[in-house]
Amino acid sequence: QKEVEQDPGPLSVPEGAIVSLNCTYSNSAFQYFMWYRQYSRKGPELLMYTYSSGNKEDGRFTAQVDKSSKYISLFIRDSQPSDSATYLCAMSGDSGGYNKLIFGAGTRLAVHP
Amino acid sequence: NAGVMQNPRHLVRRRGQEARLRCSPMKGHSHVYWYRQLPEEGLKFMVYLQKENIIDESGMPKERFSAEFPKEGPSILRIQQVVRGDSAAYFCASSMDSGGLLYGYTFGSGTRLTVV
Repeated sequence: QKEVEQDPGPLSVPEGAIVSLNCTYSNSAFQYFMWYRQYSRKGPELLMYTYSSGNKEDGRFTAQVDKSSKYISLFIRDSQPSDSATYLCAMSGDSGGYNKLIFGAGTRLAVHP
Repeated sequence: NAGVMQNPRHLVRRRGQEARLRCSPMKGHSHVYWYRQLPEEGLKFMVYLQKENIIDESGMPKERFSAEFPKEGPSILRIQQVVRGDSAAYFCASSMDSGGLLYGYTFGSGTRLTVV
């Protein structure tokens, strides 16, 4: 069983839709949870960062963490064609004073006009 | 302020050759991380380095792979005697200190290695 499970998609939605992306994990030591966006042939860029449980909102993006269920989500409101990319969840515990990220496989999202 | 710079962007090697991948961290960053991304997979941690020190190489294959981050110059990921299974995108990230996640990793655009 992988430490982090993420549905690879692809997910295709019309412009303006609300998108829900999810990951589950098995390691209860994870405390830091992130969402990265990766455009084709580019490096991942950090979208959202959450420590422990709770919600965090940034513009059209909302990240949720439910540690009791070992489940994290990213919601994108009013999706735009420019949101078309692969979205990677990543997480980490606090091991040895530094941070080694464990990534999900990524979900490919296509937002069509 | 340039971001994390990786070169080359694309690298083609024949089986048995050596591949050298370079990573220049962001200005002021002294911590470097290397990750590998196979097609249709997420990124897998390989190695974490500070200047002149390897802190964690637990994700790096024991044979053929090595990494360094000298006092001067970029970090180098070296793959000797490459095989087809080494074909992947290799990403470098840097952070200001060991609390990298508090500020977020910054990734480079990656080097795409193709072994023919």
